[in-house]
Amino acid sequence: DAGVIQSPRHEVTEMGQEVTLRCKPISGHNSLFWYRQTMMRGLELLIYFNNNVPIDDSGMPEDRFSAKMPNASFSTLKIQPSEPRDSAVYFCATRRGDGGTQYFGPGTRLLVL
Amino acid sequence: AQSVTQLDSHVSVSEGTPVLLRCNYSSSYSPSLFWYVQHPNKGLQLLLKYTSAATLVKGINGFEAEFKKSETSFHLTKPSAHMSDAAEYFCVVSGGGSNYKLTFGKGTLLTVNP
Repeated sequence: DAGVIQSPRHEVTEMGQEVTLRCKPISGHNSLFWYRQTMMRGLELLIYFNNNVPIDDSGMPEDRFSAKMPNASFSTLKIQPSEPRDSAVYFCATRRGDGGTQYFGPGTRLLVL
Repeated sequence: AQSVTQLDSHVSVSEGTPVLLRCNYSSSYSPSLFWYVQHPNKGLQLLLKYTSAATLVKGINGFEAEFKKSETSFHLTKPSAHMSDAAEYFCVVSGGGSNYKLTFGKGTLLTVNP
């Protein structure tokens, strides 16, 4: 099993640029989560999809952030325009069924200059 | 509402000595509890989980944790630390009326000295 795959692993960009983070879930997992990890706030849930449908996006910071899951094998998290305060590690996690264990990807380390 | 408190932000042990990472939780519901480990520049890896079965849970790499409802604790232990155990450890609670929201502790950084 390849596990949750995230790309890119590292991203350095300039303020104002668009950033797109990608996630491929474990095959057969029907729930997908995007998290952000910072020193100040720890791990925060940004958005939760179930069967490709966004269920809870209350953690999305503001309109600059958007997430999509066009099919069961792919999700994106987009930041447009990016700001320095968006610098963080972004994790994707997936699980099978309701209440199952969440499995995390390796994360994308984003630095916005 | 649910919350998790990891009582130590940093624990330092010598190789071969026992490890104890402390975690207290608060939950209005019967919680599921997890320990995840994060090695430097890596993602989070599940160590073990408790879901209302046996109160003593065994995980990977020789770690185990005991669920104590009366003390609202879920401490992580290992009899003998290895250098490769050096990492950050997160205690996590799930529940609180939601079957998907995880509440993370702030993490405990484990240092293992040779």
